[in-house]
Amino acid sequence: GDSVTQMEGPVTLSEEAFLTINCTYTATGYPSLFWYVQYPGEGLQLLLKATKADDKGSNKGFEATYRKETTSFHLEKGSVQVSDSAVYFCALNNNNDMRFGAGTRLTVKP
Amino acid sequence: NAGVMQNPRHLVRRRGQEARLRCSPMKGHSHVYWYRQLPEEGLKFMVYLQKENIIDESGMPKERFSAEFPKEGPSILRIQQVVRGDSAAYFCASSLTSTSSYEQYFGPGTRLTVT
Repeated sequence: GDSVTQMEGPVTLSEEAFLTINCTYTATGYPSLFWYVQYPGEGLQLLLKATKADDKGSNKGFEATYRKETTSFHLEKGSVQVSDSAVYFCALNNNNDMRFGAGTRLTVKP
Repeated sequence: NAGVMQNPRHLVRRRGQEARLRCSPMKGHSHVYWYRQLPEEGLKFMVYLQKENIIDESGMPKERFSAEFPKEGPSILRIQQVVRGDSAAYFCASSLTSTSSYEQYFGPGTRLTVT
């Protein structure tokens, strides 16, 4: 079946460092891809999405490009802030079947 | 436009009791999904409902768990005779349609603790 594999954490960075969180997927057909963020004690919030190959999703300085050839949707941010500390989930939706990665915990230190 | 609402936010039950978790989707959304999140793990799909219909319950345990989404009122996830292993965060999400390109909007979750 469909699945999402993302980089294991935790990831600890200094403020203003570059962030990459890897995400690869396995799916039949043409899924949509998402990154969600979860702050402590809260639900998941959509960060960005891409619905077809070569689409780039972006929001709040985060970016991810839907790469069909490598089945990847890596999350990047050029300069992280302390407020970006959270758990990040990569997800795919294929015919309304939503699958999530295990999550990557990011801690940004001042 | 209010987001997805869940209550209670925290629920403590003794082993053998029943737990009822409620979810009100975003206004205009008719698709509801329930997920379970164990500590330090990702979300596991449980069930997908539309009004008065269970569309996909492939993630629901076969016993003790049930879900409904009545014509009026919130969706309910019901766990009978809870056990310690049911302790988790339960998240509800809703979407406008069932199209893959549409994101799901999540509620804040209900954290169930079974003592």
